[in-house]
Amino acid sequence: NAGVTQTPKFQVLKTGQSMTLQCAQDMNHEYMSWYRQDPGMGLRLIHYSVGAGITDQGEVPNGYNVSRSTTEDFPLRLLSAAPSQTSVYFCASTSWGVGGYTFGSGTRLTVV
Amino acid sequence: DAKTTQPNSMESNEEEPVHLPCNHSTISGTDYIHWYRQLPSQGPEYVIHGLTSNVNNRMASLAIAEDRKSSTLILHRATLRDAAVYYCILRELNQGGKLIFGQGTELSVKP
Repeated sequence: NAGVTQTPKFQVLKTGQSMTLQCAQDMNHEYMSWYRQDPGMGLRLIHYSVGAGITDQGEVPNGYNVSRSTTEDFPLRLLSAAPSQTSVYFCASTSWGVGGYTFGSGTRLTVV
Repeated sequence: DAKTTQPNSMESNEEEPVHLPCNHSTISGTDYIHWYRQLPSQGPEYVIHGLTSNVNNRMASLAIAEDRKSSTLILHRATLRDAAVYYCILRELNQGGKLIFGQGTELSVKP
């Protein structure tokens, strides 16, 4: 049981490049979310999903796209990377109900 | 989104109990109170959650005020490994269960 797996762990992009951060969970969780955490700050919600085919915006969605074609996967796409998107990105999942979220170990992204 | 208020930082001595407070005066009747912690350079980790009654698990205890406008996370015997940022969050079941993080309380533990 791997939990929430994020790839890659580290990435350096040039301004204007695009890329996809991968997130996969093997717990059959319905809810999945993406967060970003800037140095010394708390986590901010980018996008979230309540099930396959359903996504919604969080607090800071601009510059990011998501889709949820399967229960297991919730990729985050950066359309045109900017230095302001330099951050650590966390994916999280949980099941229906009121229990706690399981977080991945994060992707550290640097945009130069 | 209902908000929470926590002290920015707290200090504790090793092997002593720690009481981490959280105010959530605008909590709604269906909001669950969640606590997470984030160790340095790691992702957040679920600690405990509750609705109205006090809750205990292997990691901590959660004491919820009768009016639900505040709660306290209790670490019974702090260890050096408990040094982390602790987040008190209201899980909004009416909005897809999303979690909105605040700034949290940075707990330092002195040997």
